[in-house]
Amino acid sequence: AQSVTQLDSQVPVFEEAPVELRCNYSSSVSVYLFWYVQYPNQGLQLLLKYLSGSTLVKGINGFEAEFNKSQTSFHLRKPSVHISDTAEYFCAVRPTGTASKLTFGTGTRLQVTL
Amino acid sequence: NAGVTQTPKFQVLKTGQSMTLQCAQDMNHEYMSWYRQDPGMGLRLIHYSVGAGITDQGEVPNGYNVSRSTTEDFPLRLLSAAPSQTSVYFCASSYVGQGRESYTFGSGTRLTVV
Repeated sequence: AQSVTQLDSQVPVFEEAPVELRCNYSSSVSVYLFWYVQYPNQGLQLLLKYLSGSTLVKGINGFEAEFNKSQTSFHLRKPSVHISDTAEYFCAVRPTGTASKLTFGTGTRLQVTL
Repeated sequence: NAGVTQTPKFQVLKTGQSMTLQCAQDMNHEYMSWYRQDPGMGLRLIHYSVGAGITDQGEVPNGYNVSRSTTEDFPLRLLSAAPSQTSVYFCASSYVGQGRESYTFGSGTRLTVV
């Protein structure tokens, strides 16, 4: 079984400041890792994913994440946030090699203000 | 391609009523799943299917039924709606193989049970 921990339920940040959203996971098997974004009253949009290869993954909207296997982490970063980045962010994992279920974290609400 | 289509987008039910949430995909994915999203809890798996005729329970299956008669369709049935089933429901289909990975979500169904 897998589990995902997003310790920060809310992260307030000023516009143009850097941000890091933390994600740690637990799994007895190899996993793929994902970050999704959900804007208010909208569906889920894939930000980025790690399947294999380089541990630094670049996604849409200037976001990137780094897979750290020893720390079982997959933190999401952006060097300079914009008001439009205000949304809920979800980290998720699933076992490699099969089209199986995604296990989600509880989400982090990023609130960007002027 | 339409991807994953969910209907309806919004629904209000009275306690005790039954209804079916529809989900259809046109990507020929074998794996499909249903999630519910509740504030502060992320997305939790209700039921999933690894192919036509094969379904299994996820994390929160009580009060829901599914069937998979075709590859394309994966309806979710609420047998007797309860206020605790007020939630946003997401359907997804996924594929892994030949060096590719895809996990596609529908736009969601917002259900209110009064």
